[in-house]
Parts: sequence; structure tokens; C-alpha cells
Amino acid sequence: NAGVMQNPRHLVRRRGQEARLRCSPMKGHSHVYWYRQLPEEGLKFMVYLQKENIIDESGMPKERFSAEFPKEGPSILRIQQVVRGDSAAYFCASSPFGTDTQYFGPGTRLTVL
Amino acid sequence: AQTVTQSQPEMSVQEAETVTLSCTYDTSENNYYLFWYKQPPSRQMILVIRQEAYKQQNATENRFSVNFQKAAKSFSLKISDSQLGDTAMYFCAFETRDDKIIFGKGTRLHILP
Repeated sequence: NAGVMQNPRHLVRRRGQEARLRCSPMKGHSHVYWYRQLPEEGLKFMVYLQKENIIDESGMPKERFSAEFPKEGPSILRIQQVVRGDSAAYFCASSPFGTDTQYFGPGTRLTVL
Repeated sequence: AQTVTQSQPEMSVQEAETVTLSCTYDTSENNYYLFWYKQPPSRQMILVIRQEAYKQQNATENRFSVNFQKAAKSFSLKISDSQLGDTAMYFCAFETRDDKIIFGKGTRLHILP
């Protein structure tokens, strides 16, 4: 059973470009969570999704950030018009049910030049 | 506000020694989950151990054990017979009732040969 997959592992963007981060949950998992880790910090919750539904986006910045988890395909975290402060590691986690252990992917390290 | 505090930013111990990492948290919830995650240089988030708050018995996983004191809101991690591969950042974390995980800022652990 493959773990949580994230791609790309590393992403470099120039200021003003768009970043798309993808997350494929573990097989059988229908709950996806996105977290952001700034340098030398712990992970911070961003958004919690189920298929075709955003359950909790209280940790998402109000502008430029969006997330989706379509019926088919991976979950996408989209950052429009990136700025240097968006440089961070973005982790996706999945669980079979909302109250179960979350399993983390390897993360995507975003660097904004 | 729900918070997780790790008071030791960095620790070093000799290989084969026992080390204890401290963690305190704050919540008004009665049922919740606590975790310790390990983040090696590869940046992968690896679940080390999980504790359910309603269980009084401390969780153990091989060389890893916790000292969970619910009244004191304390959740320390003990690593016995430490190994070089234990070198990593260790994050204490708490899962809220609405399925968000709140992380501490981490303790960087160095195991010295």
C-alpha cells in the first residue's frame, strides 16, 4: 500500500508565478489535510478537505491560496502570484476517517526566487 | 487557545543513553490525541507514537515511550538506548476535536557517537 504521495518534491518559482502542489492520499483515505512548515518552525494547519468538499480552511491565507480535492485525482494546493514569504515546505496528510491518525507525505519544498 | 510547547530547542546525548524530550500543551477538551513525530534530515514526517487522552496507560513503541500526565497537560517522550538514526527534529503534537493537528516548535536531537 503506497503511502501519501506528493509532487513535485521541489518546486522553484519566481515572484508572481503560480505554484501547484499535488497530493495523492493513501488508498482508501478520503480525508486530506495540508500543512505548511516555515524554516525552523513546526507545521501549521492550512486546510482540511474531503472529496469535493472543504471542511475547514481556517488556516489558509485569505488571498492567493486555494485548495481542492476533486472526485477524481489528487488534491491540489494552488498558490497564485507567489511571494518570497511563501517559501516553505508544504505537507499533505491523509486519513481514512476524520478522527483517525493522519499519515504524512514527504512534502513539497517551495522556493520563491 | 490550544497550544503545544516544547521548551528544549536542542539536545545532545551520547549513543546508547536515554533521553527525555519535554512537551506541555493547553486545551479545554477532554478527549483528544497526542503524538510525537520525528523529522529526520530527509524532512519526512514520521509518526513515532500516539496517545489517546482517555487511556491512562502510557503508550510504548519499542525504545520509545511516553509519560502522559493529563492533569498536568504534560506529554514527554523517552528514547531508550538511543541510536545514531534517532538524530532528528522531534515534534510534539495535539489533535483537536475538529481534526486539526497543532504542532510544537520542535526539539532538535543530536545523538553523538
